[in-house]
Amino acid sequence: EAQVTQNPRYLITVTGKKLTVTCSQNMNHEYMSWYRQDPGLGLRQIYYSMNVEVTDKGDVPEGYKVSRKEKRNFPLILESPSPNQTSLYFCASTTPGGTEAFFGQGTRLTVV
Amino acid sequence: AQSVTQLGSHVSVSEGALVLLRCNYSSSVPPYLFWYVQYPNQGLQLLLKYTTGATLVKGINGFEAEFKKSETSFHLTKPSAHMSDAAEYFCAVSSPGTYKYIFGTGTRLKVLA
Repeated sequence: EAQVTQNPRYLITVTGKKLTVTCSQNMNHEYMSWYRQDPGLGLRQIYYSMNVEVTDKGDVPEGYKVSRKEKRNFPLILESPSPNQTSLYFCASTTPGGTEAFFGQGTRLTVV
Repeated sequence: AQSVTQLGSHVSVSEGALVLLRCNYSSSVPPYLFWYVQYPNQGLQLLLKYTTGATLVKGINGFEAEFKKSETSFHLTKPSAHMSDAAEYFCAVSSPGTYKYIFGTGTRLKVLA
């Protein structure tokens, strides 16, 4: 079954404590991306990756880092989280040509 | 630049009534268009998509949408609402080969008994 798996599903952390949200896909897709969802704003792209070791900024990259050392994994790193990064995060894996994006179940992050 | 406008952040319909969720897009190239549904505490699930070919697209759960280039619209419809349709719906646009999806702000559908 085609799947994008994110962990954890829920996370509460304190300001400044580094955290990583993992994302893994089993479809051998080259393109993966991270979005954040905020009420009234829809989903906005944070970072994307066209392939292993190829990453680039999306529309709202400030405060985030990513890495792509293997095709299946695309972790999102918050080195010093702040309360304005409290949000619902989604990882996506996209088919060749961009005809469909598969989303993970989401990670609800609260930074206090 | 591409953009998506979803009219109505909240829509209420009675069970059995027509569902109409509106989406207008802006794109300088022929777009790919998508509708995703998000149930509470879940991820996004693809309802339907338009990439090429027939402009009337049928999706899962009885939903359909029509790509109207002249109106730059991709409205989502369902003839008869069911309680299980209550969810948030997102329209998205992309361009062939670019992979980046631009999402609308979402429409929360409420179905009244």
